[in-house]
Amino acid sequence: VQLLESGGGLVQPGGSLRLSCEASGFTFTRCGMTWVRQAPGKGLEWVSSISDSGYVTYYADSVKGRFSASRDNSKNTLYLQMNSLRAEDTAVYYCAKDQWMEQLKAPFDYWGQGTLVTVSS
Amino acid sequence: EIVLTQSPATLSLSPGERATLSCRASQSVSSYISWYQQKPGQAPRLLIYDAFNRATGVPARFSGSGSGTDFTLTISSLEPEDFVVYYCQQRTNWPLTFGGGTKVEIK
Repeated sequence: VQLLESGGGLVQPGGSLRLSCEASGFTFTRCGMTWVRQAPGKGLEWVSSISDSGYVTYYADSVKGRFSASRDNSKNTLYLQMNSLRAEDTAVYYCAKDQWMEQLKAPFDYWGQGTLVTVSS
Repeated sequence: EIVLTQSPATLSLSPGERATLSCRASQSVSSYISWYQQKPGQAPRLLIYDAFNRATGVPARFSGSGSGTDFTLTISSLEPEDFVVYYCQQRTNWPLTFGGGTKVEIK
């Protein structure tokens, strides 16, 4: 199993960024996926989960209405569209695979290496 | 939102000693607690799921227990590579939540 995030970088407050997570080594089309972030020197924060089909999504209150998770099952790729970015969104963003197929709210058994998003002027 | 409180924030022990980490939930989460280990500069790693089930490849010195609101991660005999940070996480209700973490440091 491999999860490879990309798309992080420096963005100004109010700006947008789209993160990608390319998956391999498992049946992506049957697994829910999750984004978790970690601000510098801080703990882990769940951001969003998306079902295997992509039709069902959940978000933390801190990002609801600004972030949108999606997936392209033909490309084995997960996305996180981040709009109206704030300084407090600065973090390493990890994508993680849900442990069991066709089930959300599963433990996260594989994680990507993370991509750093810095929101600053 | 279910709040997870981990204690202590820092645990100072010596190699070979037993480590006991606590995670308390603000309401019952049944047995739906996972534990993750995070080494510096690395992504978290799943250690324990559903309170007491070891994930694939996790050494037997790691064990989990508890149900309802009180959970424990035990490391029976600390190895040098175990002196890192541990997080609990609940999957009972949305939003999914993590505890604040316990750092196990060398005494």
